[in-house]
Amino acid sequence: ETGVTQTPRHLVMGMTNKKSLKCEQHLGHNAMYWYKQSAKKPLELMFVYSLEERVENNSVPSRFSPECPNSSHLFLHLHTLQPEDSALYLCASSQVGDALTNYGYTFGSGTRLTVV
Amino acid sequence: AQSVTQPDIHITVSEGASLELRCNYSYGATPYLFWYVQSPGQGLQLLLKYFSGDTLVQGIKGFEAEFKRSQSSFNLRKPSVHWSDAAEYFCAVGARGAQKLVFGQGTRLTINP
Repeated sequence: ETGVTQTPRHLVMGMTNKKSLKCEQHLGHNAMYWYKQSAKKPLELMFVYSLEERVENNSVPSRFSPECPNSSHLFLHLHTLQPEDSALYLCASSQVGDALTNYGYTFGSGTRLTVV
Repeated sequence: AQSVTQPDIHITVSEGASLELRCNYSYGATPYLFWYVQSPGQGLQLLLKYFSGDTLVQGIKGFEAEFKRSQSSFNLRKPSVHWSDAAEYFCAVGARGAQKLVFGQGTRLTINP
């Protein structure tokens, strides 16, 4: 399998549930990103991992917890979410350094999350 | 810091008509510029990129973009749109040494038959 794969594609969860989103890349990249995309809002960068180290956390509520166990996998652990957290969650990967500006990101297809 | 502005939130054009989507960036040094397209419910796909050389770059699906340093712009064009071009389009800028790209707000393109 190639590219960036996100699972599940769709997720419905209650506000008291705990679930995880998974992202896997098969491109040999060493940076990974989580974005939130809500209806009629710009893309919101949530977290950046570079060389498996979290390098950016954009004031994301603690009910979202990222994990990057290795350079190929990225998780977003969810607990006690709110209805306003319903959105499309996108994962992306890239190479760090000059390769980022030369080649940009590769995105996954996203997980559509609905909080009920 | 870099920033990107896409002045048009929503554009509607007729099938077969020409298209131009605007993108303005703010960055002091040489920018690295990208256009991405997102079909409904999907991730973003790279259309084209500019980082040096010829200021007119060709991309996939018949799109092109022109880098104009004097206007801080990187507008996306297509001579004749198809119904399948209906999507959201995002402009992004990167900088050497940065760890992320900065995206514009996106422009939603609707195609009239």
